[in-house]
Amino acid sequence: GEDVEQSLFLSVREGDSSVINCTYTDSSSTYLYWYKQEPGAGLQLLTYIFSNMDMKQDQRLTVLLNKKDKHLSLRIADTQTGDSAIYFCAERNSGNTPLVFGKGTRLSVIA
Amino acid sequence: KAGVTQTPRYLIKTRGQQVTLSCSPISGHRSVSWYQQTPGQGLQFLFEYFSETQRNKGNFPGRFSGRQFSNSRSEMNVSTLELGDSALYLCASSRGQGNSPLHFGNGTRLTVT
Repeated sequence: GEDVEQSLFLSVREGDSSVINCTYTDSSSTYLYWYKQEPGAGLQLLTYIFSNMDMKQDQRLTVLLNKKDKHLSLRIADTQTGDSAIYFCAERNSGNTPLVFGKGTRLSVIA
Repeated sequence: KAGVTQTPRYLIKTRGQQVTLSCSPISGHRSVSWYQQTPGQGLQFLFEYFSETQRNKGNFPGRFSGRQFSNSRSEMNVSTLELGDSALYLCASSRGQGNSPLHFGNGTRLTVT
Protein backbone atom coordinates (compact mmCIF):
# COMPACT_ATOMS: atom_id res chain seq x y z
CA GLY A 1 0.00 0.00 0.00
CA GLU A 2 0.96 3.63 -0.04
CA ASP A 3 3.63 4.80 2.36
CA VAL A 4 4.85 8.26 3.30
CA GLU A 5 8.17 8.69 5.11
CA GLN A 6 9.52 11.69 7.00
CA SER A 7 12.44 12.24 9.32
CA LEU A 8 11.22 12.58 12.91
CA PHE A 9 13.13 15.61 14.15
CA LEU A 10 14.61 18.87 12.87
CA SER A 11 16.22 21.63 14.89
CA VAL A 12 17.03 25.07 13.48
CA ARG A 13 18.04 28.48 14.76
CA GLU A 14 15.60 31.37 14.66
CA GLY A 15 15.99 33.30 11.43
CA ASP A 16 17.45 30.36 9.49
CA SER A 17 15.57 28.42 6.82
CA SER A 18 14.04 25.05 7.66
CA VAL A 19 13.70 22.27 5.11
CA ILE A 20 11.41 19.35 5.94
CA ASN A 21 11.61 16.37 3.60
CA CYS A 22 9.12 13.67 2.68
CA THR A 23 9.19 10.66 0.36
CA TYR A 24 6.20 8.69 -0.84
CA THR A 25 5.84 5.39 -2.65
CA ASP A 26 2.63 5.75 -4.64
CA SER A 27 3.53 6.87 -8.16
CA SER A 28 -0.09 7.75 -8.83
CA SER A 29 -0.18 10.34 -6.06
CA THR A 30 -1.92 13.35 -7.48
CA TYR A 31 -2.24 15.71 -4.55
CA LEU A 32 0.37 16.33 -1.88
CA TYR A 33 -0.16 18.35 1.26
CA TRP A 34 1.64 19.85 4.21
CA TYR A 35 -0.12 20.19 7.56
CA LYS A 36 1.07 21.72 10.84
CA GLN A 37 0.05 20.52 14.30
CA GLU A 38 0.66 22.55 17.43
CA PRO A 39 0.31 21.04 20.93
CA GLY A 40 -3.27 20.28 21.86
CA ALA A 41 -4.61 21.25 18.45
CA GLY A 42 -5.77 19.59 15.26
CA LEU A 43 -4.02 19.76 11.92
CA GLN A 44 -3.76 23.08 10.13
CA LEU A 45 -3.52 22.98 6.34
CA LEU A 46 -0.40 24.91 5.29
CA THR A 47 -0.22 24.36 1.56
CA TYR A 48 -0.64 21.75 -1.16
CA ILE A 49 0.70 20.98 -4.63
CA PHE A 50 -0.58 19.03 -7.60
CA SER A 51 1.58 16.38 -9.22
CA ASN A 52 1.76 18.42 -12.45
CA MET A 53 3.64 21.18 -10.60
CA ASP A 54 7.29 21.31 -9.55
CA MET A 55 7.16 24.19 -7.14
CA LYS A 56 4.71 26.34 -5.24
CA GLN A 57 5.49 29.39 -3.17
CA ASP A 58 3.23 30.93 -0.55
CA GLN A 59 4.77 33.77 1.50
CA ARG A 60 7.49 32.13 3.67
CA LEU A 61 6.64 28.63 2.46
CA THR A 62 8.10 26.95 -0.63
CA VAL A 63 7.09 23.45 -1.69
CA LEU A 64 9.29 21.50 -4.09
CA LEU A 65 8.16 18.30 -5.78
CA ASN A 66 10.46 15.83 -7.52
CA LYS A 67 8.12 13.31 -9.13
CA LYS A 68 10.89 11.13 -10.47
CA ASP A 69 12.29 10.55 -6.97
CA LYS A 70 8.86 10.80 -5.30
CA HIS A 71 10.29 13.46 -3.01
CA LEU A 72 8.48 16.44 -1.52
CA SER A 73 10.01 19.19 0.58
CA LEU A 74 8.73 22.16 2.56
CA ARG A 75 11.03 25.11 3.05
CA ILE A 76 10.19 27.69 5.70
CA ALA A 77 12.12 30.92 5.26
CA ASP A 78 13.13 33.05 8.25
CA THR A 79 11.96 30.43 10.74
CA GLN A 80 10.41 31.83 13.92
CA THR A 81 9.80 30.29 17.35
CA GLY A 82 6.10 30.22 16.48
CA ASP A 83 6.93 27.74 13.72
CA SER A 84 7.84 25.11 16.33
CA ALA A 85 5.33 22.30 15.73
CA ILE A 86 4.93 18.91 14.09
CA TYR A 87 4.71 19.01 10.29
CA PHE A 88 2.91 16.27 8.39
CA CYS A 89 3.26 15.37 4.75
CA ALA A 90 0.23 13.68 3.16
CA GLU A 91 -0.72 12.37 -0.26
CA ARG A 92 -3.70 10.98 -2.11
CA ASN A 93 -4.53 9.64 -5.56
CA SER A 94 -7.67 11.61 -6.19
CA GLY A 95 -10.17 13.87 -4.50
CA ASN A 96 -12.21 10.84 -3.51
CA THR A 97 -9.52 8.80 -1.79
CA PRO A 98 -8.30 9.11 1.80
CA LEU A 99 -5.24 11.11 2.73
CA VAL A 100 -2.23 9.01 3.70
CA PHE A 101 -0.01 10.75 6.24
CA GLY A 102 3.62 10.50 7.21
CA LYS A 103 4.53 10.14 10.90
CA GLY A 104 5.37 13.84 11.13
CA THR A 105 8.55 15.87 11.63
CA ARG A 106 8.95 17.72 14.91
CA LEU A 107 10.50 21.12 14.20
CA SER A 108 12.24 22.84 17.11
CA VAL A 109 13.29 26.45 16.67
CA ILE A 110 16.08 27.67 18.94
CA ALA A 111 16.06 31.36 19.81
CA LYS B 1 -16.65 31.05 8.51
CA ALA B 2 -16.71 28.67 11.45
CA GLY B 3 -14.22 25.81 11.35
CA VAL B 4 -14.73 22.14 12.06
CA THR B 5 -16.15 21.62 15.54
CA GLN B 6 -15.64 18.44 17.51
CA THR B 7 -17.34 17.58 20.78
CA PRO B 8 -16.48 16.73 23.42
CA ARG B 9 -12.84 17.79 23.65
CA TYR B 10 -11.99 15.23 26.30
CA LEU B 11 -13.51 11.92 27.35
CA ILE B 12 -12.57 9.35 29.94
CA LYS B 13 -14.20 5.95 29.63
CA THR B 14 -13.78 2.50 31.13
CA ARG B 15 -12.92 -0.65 29.22
CA GLY B 16 -16.03 -2.31 27.80
CA GLN B 17 -18.05 0.90 27.58
CA GLN B 18 -19.04 2.59 24.36
CA VAL B 19 -18.54 6.17 23.24
CA THR B 20 -19.98 8.56 20.65
CA LEU B 21 -17.99 11.46 19.22
CA SER B 22 -19.52 14.30 17.25
CA CYS B 23 -18.26 16.44 14.39
CA SER B 24 -19.82 19.51 12.75
CA PRO B 25 -18.17 20.29 9.39
CA ILE B 26 -17.53 23.64 7.79
CA SER B 27 -20.70 25.02 6.23
CA GLY B 28 -21.07 23.77 2.65
CA HIS B 29 -18.76 20.79 3.13
CA ARG B 30 -20.37 17.46 2.32
CA SER B 31 -17.52 15.13 3.19
CA VAL B 32 -16.45 14.19 6.71
CA SER B 33 -13.42 12.00 7.41
CA TRP B 34 -12.30 10.52 10.72
CA TYR B 35 -8.73 9.76 11.75
CA GLN B 36 -7.21 8.19 14.84
CA GLN B 37 -3.93 9.68 16.04
CA THR B 38 -1.63 7.81 18.45
CA PRO B 39 2.07 8.31 19.24
CA GLY B 40 2.94 4.85 17.96
CA GLN B 41 0.83 4.55 14.82
CA GLY B 42 0.53 8.18 13.80
CA LEU B 43 -2.56 9.23 11.83
CA GLN B 44 -4.69 6.35 10.68
CA PHE B 45 -7.76 6.70 8.50
CA LEU B 46 -11.00 5.37 9.96
CA PHE B 47 -13.71 6.24 7.43
CA GLU B 48 -15.16 8.94 5.23
CA TYR B 49 -18.76 9.93 4.69
CA PHE B 50 -20.03 11.88 1.72
CA SER B 51 -23.67 12.89 1.41
CA GLU B 52 -24.70 10.47 4.17
CA THR B 53 -22.97 7.47 2.54
CA GLN B 54 -19.76 5.82 3.64
CA ARG B 55 -17.42 6.36 0.71
CA ASN B 56 -14.15 5.01 2.11
CA LYS B 57 -13.24 2.78 5.01
CA GLY B 58 -9.94 2.16 6.74
CA ASN B 59 -8.65 -1.01 8.34
CA PHE B 60 -10.32 -0.88 11.74
CA PRO B 61 -12.48 -3.49 13.46
CA GLY B 62 -16.25 -3.36 13.30
CA ARG B 63 -16.35 -1.84 16.81
CA PHE B 64 -15.66 1.44 15.06
CA SER B 65 -18.63 2.81 13.18
CA GLY B 66 -19.91 6.12 11.97
CA ARG B 67 -22.73 7.90 10.30
CA GLN B 68 -23.53 11.19 8.66
CA PHE B 69 -26.74 13.15 8.90
CA SER B 70 -28.55 15.15 6.22
CA ASN B 71 -26.98 18.37 7.54
CA SER B 72 -23.51 16.78 7.01
CA ARG B 73 -22.83 16.50 10.73
CA SER B 74 -21.18 13.21 11.59
CA GLU B 75 -20.82 10.93 14.57
CA MET B 76 -18.48 8.07 15.21
CA ASN B 77 -19.11 5.33 17.72
CA VAL B 78 -16.70 2.95 19.37
CA SER B 79 -18.23 -0.01 21.20
CA THR B 80 -16.63 -2.34 23.74
CA LEU B 81 -13.76 0.02 24.38
CA GLU B 82 -10.24 -1.34 24.78
CA LEU B 83 -7.21 0.32 26.39
CA GLY B 84 -5.64 0.59 22.93
CA ASP B 85 -8.48 2.82 21.76
CA SER B 86 -7.02 5.68 23.80
CA ALA B 87 -6.12 8.27 21.19
CA LEU B 88 -6.85 11.66 19.70
CA TYR B 89 -9.74 11.31 17.25
CA LEU B 90 -9.68 13.89 14.51
CA CYS B 91 -12.49 14.83 12.21
CA ALA B 92 -11.91 16.65 8.92
CA SER B 93 -14.32 18.12 6.42
CA SER B 94 -14.02 19.01 2.75
CA ARG B 95 -16.24 19.69 -0.25
CA GLY B 96 -15.49 16.08 -1.20
CA GLN B 97 -14.94 16.67 -4.90
CA GLY B 98 -11.89 17.43 -6.99
CA ASN B 99 -8.95 18.57 -4.94
CA SER B 100 -10.81 19.86 -1.97
CA PRO B 101 -8.33 19.92 0.94
CA LEU B 102 -9.28 18.48 4.30
CA HIS B 103 -9.81 20.93 7.15
CA PHE B 104 -9.40 19.44 10.60
CA GLY B 105 -11.06 20.07 13.94
CA ASN B 106 -9.13 20.16 17.21
CA GLY B 107 -10.00 16.58 18.00
CA THR B 108 -11.50 14.59 20.85
CA ARG B 109 -8.98 13.15 23.31
CA LEU B 110 -10.32 9.74 24.44
CA THR B 111 -8.74 8.00 27.41
CA VAL B 112 -9.79 4.44 28.20
CA THR B 113 -8.98 3.18 31.70
